[in-house]
Amino acid sequence: DAGVIQSPRHEVTEMGQEVTLRCKPISGHNSLFWYRQTMMRGLELLIYFNNNVPIDDSGMPEDRFSAKMPNASFSTLKIQPSEPRDSAVYFCASSLQAIYGYTFGSGTRLTVV
Amino acid sequence: GEDVEQSLFLSVREGDSSVINCTYTDSSSTYLYWYKQEPGAGLQLLTYIFSNMDMKQDQRLTVLLNKKDKHLSLRIADTQTGDSAIYFCAEGNFNKFYFGSGTKLNVKP
Repeated sequence: DAGVIQSPRHEVTEMGQEVTLRCKPISGHNSLFWYRQTMMRGLELLIYFNNNVPIDDSGMPEDRFSAKMPNASFSTLKIQPSEPRDSAVYFCASSLQAIYGYTFGSGTRLTVV
Repeated sequence: GEDVEQSLFLSVREGDSSVINCTYTDSSSTYLYWYKQEPGAGLQLLTYIFSNMDMKQDQRLTVLLNKKDKHLSLRIADTQTGDSAIYFCAEGNFNKFYFGSGTKLNVKP
């Protein structure tokens, strides 16, 4: 398996633009997580899905953020409109069972100018 | 979320042992993990321990859990320059986990 695949690896966009981050989890994993990492706040859980259903989105900062998982092999995190304070590394992770921990993707480094 | 705290930096010499500490607040945690993050990469699971265990050894890694004090530690024996990275502890239940801020380990040759 190629692991958790995220795209793009880097994204630079202007304030106000829409940004879409993509994630392909490991085949067979039934849970998917979106995290944001910044120097100031560390790793923050934004949302997680179980069997494609959003279970907990309490970490989503505001209505500008939305996430979808239309099928077991694909998820998106969208920011519309983007703001400079959204600049961070966004990680997607998937898992089969909690005991095995998460497998993280390599992340998308987002810069909003 | 729950509080998970780690010291930010640790510096050791190659060949010495490293001990990275973590404290948490959620007494109902079932699983506790250590992850390693190298520059430009995602987090990689190193090891885990169940809350009903107090020690786990895996090659150069030893995890100690003091559930009473809610204290978790990771000991790396014979630390190598390749061990330089950021180490995160994480705790939680089922599928919701909280991560510490990470400890940057610097190994000097």
